[in-house]
Amino acid sequence: QSVLTQPPSVSGAPGQRVTISCTGSSSNFGAGYDVHWYQHLPGTAPKLLIYGNSNRPSGVPDRFSGSKSGTSASLAITGLQAEDEADYYCQSYDSSLSGSVFGGGTKLTVL
Amino acid sequence: QLQLQESGPGLVKPSETLSLTCTVSGGSISSSSYYWGWIRQPPGKGLEWIGSIYYSGSTNYNPSLKSRVTISVDTSKNQFSLKLSSVTAADTAVYYCARQRGYSYGVDYWGQGTLVTVSS
Repeated sequence: QSVLTQPPSVSGAPGQRVTISCTGSSSNFGAGYDVHWYQHLPGTAPKLLIYGNSNRPSGVPDRFSGSKSGTSASLAITGLQAEDEADYYCQSYDSSLSGSVFGGGTKLTVL
Repeated sequence: QLQLQESGPGLVKPSETLSLTCTVSGGSISSSSYYWGWIRQPPGKGLEWIGSIYYSGSTNYNPSLKSRVTISVDTSKNQFSLKLSSVTAADTAVYYCARQRGYSYGVDYWGQGTLVTVSS
């Protein structure tokens, strides 16, 4: 069981907006540690989508956005495209474990 | 452009030690404020953080693996390494080496990943 909890799957039609939640606790998000989001396609290395809760690295489309409030965080994808079909992971630092932690991952299906 | 490349055996016998090396090119592993680490993904499962080493040499390990893991750096070769002892089939995974610029920045560079299978 992951320290950060994500829904196993979400889906949406092309052009729609979807959100992926990531629920933490007082030892990670609640302690003020940032959340980061990754997109992972099979056979490739994960790609950093959002860092520091809501910042996009250069080259990431503004269709992707992130937020954090209290012990929860979310990733929003607008204007859904077929190429967005992938696994998405949240990550943070956990003070009780003294290290990084990942969510269990969410599989996004574009209908 | 920074690049990370994992290398090491793709097959390890149960009870033996898994050893992987990550070679960093396009930048110095001694650069300040960076963590160099290892992350793995067992088949059909999610990502798991194994541990990391700070540019200063201090290490942090996943508590569930801490008794079996060692991460070290060889600055002369611009490489860092992972050793995981007493492996079992549960350690079969794709292993990624990675760089993170502090815990507020996420993992910005990843190796391509290497599959390590534990089997006799």
